[in-house]
Amino acid sequence: DAMVIQNPRYQVTQFGKPVTLSCSQTLNHNVMYWYQQKSSQAPKLLFHYYDKDFNNEADTPDNFQSRRPNTSFCFLDIRSPGLGDAAMYLCATYNDRGLHEKLFFGSGTQLSVL
Amino acid sequence: AQSVTQLDSQVPVFEEAPVELRCNYSSSVSVYLFWYVQYPNQGLQLLLKYLSGSTLVKGINGFEAEFNKSQTSFHLRKPSVHISDTAEYFCAVSALDTGRRALTFGSGTRLQVQP
Repeated sequence: DAMVIQNPRYQVTQFGKPVTLSCSQTLNHNVMYWYQQKSSQAPKLLFHYYDKDFNNEADTPDNFQSRRPNTSFCFLDIRSPGLGDAAMYLCATYNDRGLHEKLFFGSGTQLSVL
Repeated sequence: AQSVTQLDSQVPVFEEAPVELRCNYSSSVSVYLFWYVQYPNQGLQLLLKYLSGSTLVKGINGFEAEFNKSQTSFHLRKPSVHISDTAEYFCAVSALDTGRRALTFGSGTRLQVQP
């Protein structure tokens, strides 16, 4: 059973048109992350939530925002997508009060910008 | 801050041959070490991790890795590869000085297993 679910699997948007990607988890993990992975590159951390505490990476563009209305859901909003924002977006979760010491990843959303 | 270097961007190998994927890291604090595998158009799947204890760790699909603190390395090995092992492999670290466990990834190594 999928534990970290990302929807949609593929998303196409137009240049400059706002888009929202979603992530949900059934693990009740307190930490959630958003990574951006461009073609043939390593995943790059955009931001993460530690409980309700939002942490933005220093080099994450202002164009990227995130919301976490509750423990289970986290959204990535791209206010004005550019061609350079086409990428795979990966959501991951972690329980810092658990014993597994590993992140659980979703299958990702592949974003295309036309 | 942490950094991870994967020296080989691509590793071609014949089926049933052994393989080693190299990973070196740099960090000012103690870290946990991980290897993840990514199949085309999919998310990341954990292969194995080193947290403490024995420096030789075994993972899924017959992979193992050895932590070498003096060389700051965490190389991944498999004695005999299969076609199905063709994928992208990422080495990653997370710092122990925070409970937030954000991973820093290397640039990846594409393993291409040929018949």
